[in-house]
Amino acid sequence: DAGVTQSPTHLIKTRGQQVTLRCSPKSGHDTVSWYQQALGQGPQFIFQYYEEEERQRGNFPDRFSGHQFPNYSSELNVNALLLGDSALYLCASSLAGDPGGEKLFFGSGTQLSVL
Amino acid sequence: GEDVEQSLFLSVREGDSSVINCTYTDSSSTYLYWYKQEPGAGLQLLTYIFSNMDMKQDQRLTVLLNKKDKHLSLRIADTQTGDSAIYFCAESSPNTGGFKTIFGAGTRLFVKA
Repeated sequence: DAGVTQSPTHLIKTRGQQVTLRCSPKSGHDTVSWYQQALGQGPQFIFQYYEEEERQRGNFPDRFSGHQFPNYSSELNVNALLLGDSALYLCASSLAGDPGGEKLFFGSGTQLSVL
Repeated sequence: GEDVEQSLFLSVREGDSSVINCTYTDSSSTYLYWYKQEPGAGLQLLTYIFSNMDMKQDQRLTVLLNKKDKHLSLRIADTQTGDSAIYFCAESSPNTGGFKTIFGAGTRLFVKA
């Protein structure tokens, strides 16, 4: 049973560039959430995708956008990168309607460094 | 707005019990979770409790919920060195057809041999 997979594992970009991160959810899951985890902090909610639409969003600027494909995989795009965007980006999948609420299964993350 | 707070560090001796505490603010929280993160890895769901429950036990893990005080705790019995990790408390509430899950900053558990 494949878990949540993210690519790439590490990425180095310079200020002003754009980046795309990818996520494949756990088999059987239909919902993908993205989180940003700065060093020493807890994960901060960016947005969530369900049925190929952004269902809800955290307090992140429009430079952060995403997409969900028919096979439930997802992408996170960040435009005009800032130094402060350096963080571990975590993808988590879940199954809508799960009786246990939103049990999130996380990938290992993409470590983004902006220079 | 929603907020989840945890103490930052906890150090225990191997074999002792560990108790990690958390407070949350969202009164509409439906589920509360504990996740574990080991170095270089994503978060792993350990256990969860529904908001109408007071306690849940799962092997070495015991979760206590005081809904009136919005206080959640995780007790790890017979703590082992392999339990050294960061533990995150999270609360989940219904939002626009789904759930929105908010995490605390994490408690770093150090287990001394």
